[in-house]
Amino acid sequence: DAGVTQSPTHLIKTRGQQVTLRCSPKSGHDTVSWYQQALGQGPQFIFQYYEEEERQRGNFPDRFSGHQFPNYSSELNVNALLLGDSALYLCASSLGVGQPQHFGDGTRLSIL
Amino acid sequence: AQSVSQHNHHVILSEAASLELGCNYSYGGTVNLFWYVQYPGQHLQLLLKYFSGDPLVKGIKGFEAEFIKSKFSFNLRKPSVQWSDTAEYFCAVMGDSNYQLIWGAGTKLIIKP
Repeated sequence: DAGVTQSPTHLIKTRGQQVTLRCSPKSGHDTVSWYQQALGQGPQFIFQYYEEEERQRGNFPDRFSGHQFPNYSSELNVNALLLGDSALYLCASSLGVGQPQHFGDGTRLSIL
Repeated sequence: AQSVSQHNHHVILSEAASLELGCNYSYGGTVNLFWYVQYPGQHLQLLLKYFSGDPLVKGIKGFEAEFIKSKFSFNLRKPSVQWSDTAEYFCAVMGDSNYQLIWGAGTKLIIKP
């Protein structure tokens, strides 16, 4: 039973570029959430997708956008990258609202 | 605004010592509460959760946590830690009308063999 998988594992970009991160949820899960985790901090909620729609959004600018596909997989897009976007980006999946979330290993994004 | 506070950023214990990690949250309504653990080199894993009912919940690997509503607390405990408990522990809260997990900053636990 595959858990949550994220790609790529690591990514290096420069300021102003755009990036797309990908996530496949755990088998049977229909809800995907994205988090940003800066060094030494807990994860910060970016947004959550369910039935291909953004259900809720955290305190992140519009440069952060996402998508969920019919197979429940998801993408996180970040435009106009800033140095402060350097972080570990975590994807989590769950079945239903309020249910425990299962996490992937994350994508480490470094902005030069 | 919702927030979660974990009392200690770093804790060092010897094997067989007892553990208690503090977690306090700020939220006006009903909450679901979680503790997650991240072992070195691994992804976040659910340790235990509280949704309703008995405020003392038991999780994996001998961990337990007690929800004290009047204190807005959800402290994690283990009577006797092992070297393999070395990890980072995160407390997280989800409000009943909210879909997002609000996280504490984490506590790095080091167990000396």
